Formats: sequence, structure tokens, C-alpha cells
Amino acid sequence: EAGVAQSPRYKIIEKRQSVAFWCNPISGHATLYWYQQILGQGPKLLIQFQNNGVVDDSQLPKDRFSAERLKGVDSTLKIQPAKLEDSAVYLCASSTDTYEQYFGPGTRLTVT
Amino acid sequence: AQSVTQLGSHVSVSEGALVLLRCNYSSSVPPYLFWYVQYPNQGLQLLLKYTTGATLVKGINGFEAEFKKSETSFHLTKPSAHMSDAAEYFCAVSVTNQFYFGTGTSLTVIP
Repeated sequence: EAGVAQSPRYKIIEKRQSVAFWCNPISGHATLYWYQQILGQGPKLLIQFQNNGVVDDSQLPKDRFSAERLKGVDSTLKIQPAKLEDSAVYLCASSTDTYEQYFGPGTRLTVT
Repeated sequence: AQSVTQLGSHVSVSEGALVLLRCNYSSSVPPYLFWYVQYPNQGLQLLLKYTTGATLVKGINGFEAEFKKSETSFHLTKPSAHMSDAAEYFCAVSVTNQFYFGTGTSLTVIP
């Protein structure tokens, strides 16, 4: 079974530029999560989808971050414009229920 | 509100020694509990989970954890540390379909 795929693995941008991350969850997993993991901290949930509907986006900075999950499968997370404090690893995870999440390798974003 | 506290951001043990990583949580309802491991430049991998039933849970790579409701704890242990156990470990709580992670404990294994 293929795992959660994410791309790109690394991205370096200048502040005020925009960036997009892509996630392909495990086939059949209805729930998809985006997390932000700042160096030295635990993952922080940004947004959670159930199929193509949003379950929780309370910690998503909506003035600059947006996410979508078309057709309930792949998902894209966008940042526009980026700030220095957005430098982090962005993790995508998927699950069939709330008991276990499967994580992708993450995208390491550096904003200069 | 739910929270997860991992005592000790850095733990060092000698190879072959006992590994003990501490996790305490606060939750207004019975939670589901998890331990994840993260190796450098990789995503998180599930070590073990507690949902219901037996409070002593066994996971992969020889790790186990015990859910103690009275102490609101879910400490992770391994009898004998191996060099390959060196990684970042995260405790997590799931309550009403939401996940909360601790800040992590970096485990160093000394040869």
C-alpha cells in the first residue's frame, strides 16, 4: 500500500512570495490533515478535511493560508504572501477514522 | 481544553539501558492516546495507541506504554535502548475527532 505522498520535499522562497504544497493521501482515506511543525515544537493542526468538507480550520491563518481538497482526494495548501515565521515543516496525514493517522514525509519550507 | 505535556525535551540513555519518556495529558473526556516517532527529515510514524481495553499497550520496535487514568499519564518505555531508537518522540491525544500533540522529546542513545 502506497503511503501519503507530499511534494515538494523542500522549498525556499522570499517573504511576500506565494507557495503551494500538494498532498496525495492513502487511497480510501476519507480524512486528511495538514499540520505545521515549527522547529523544536510538536505538529499543530492547520486544517482537517472529511472527504472534501472542512471539519476544523480554527488554527488556519485565513488571511494568508488557504487549503482545498478537490473531489475528496488530493489536497493543496497555499500560503500567500509568506512571512518569515511561516518557515516550518508542513505535514500531511490521512486516516480512515480518528484512531490512527498516517503521515507523509513533509515539506520543509524556508522563508528568507 | 485538552493539552499534552512531555516532561524532558531531551533524554539521554546508554545503549541497553531502560528508556522512559513521560507524557501527561489533560482532557475533560476519556481520550485516545498515541505515541509517534519521527526520524530526521521524515514524517511521524505511529509507535502505539490506546483507545479502549487493556491499559498496557505494546507497539513496534519493543516499545510499550501504560495508560494510567488516575495519573492522567501515558508514559512510553522500552527495556533496552538500541542505537536505532535515537529520534524525536511525540505523545498525542485525540478527543472528539481532534488531535493534540506534545512538544516532543529528543532521545539520544549513548554507545
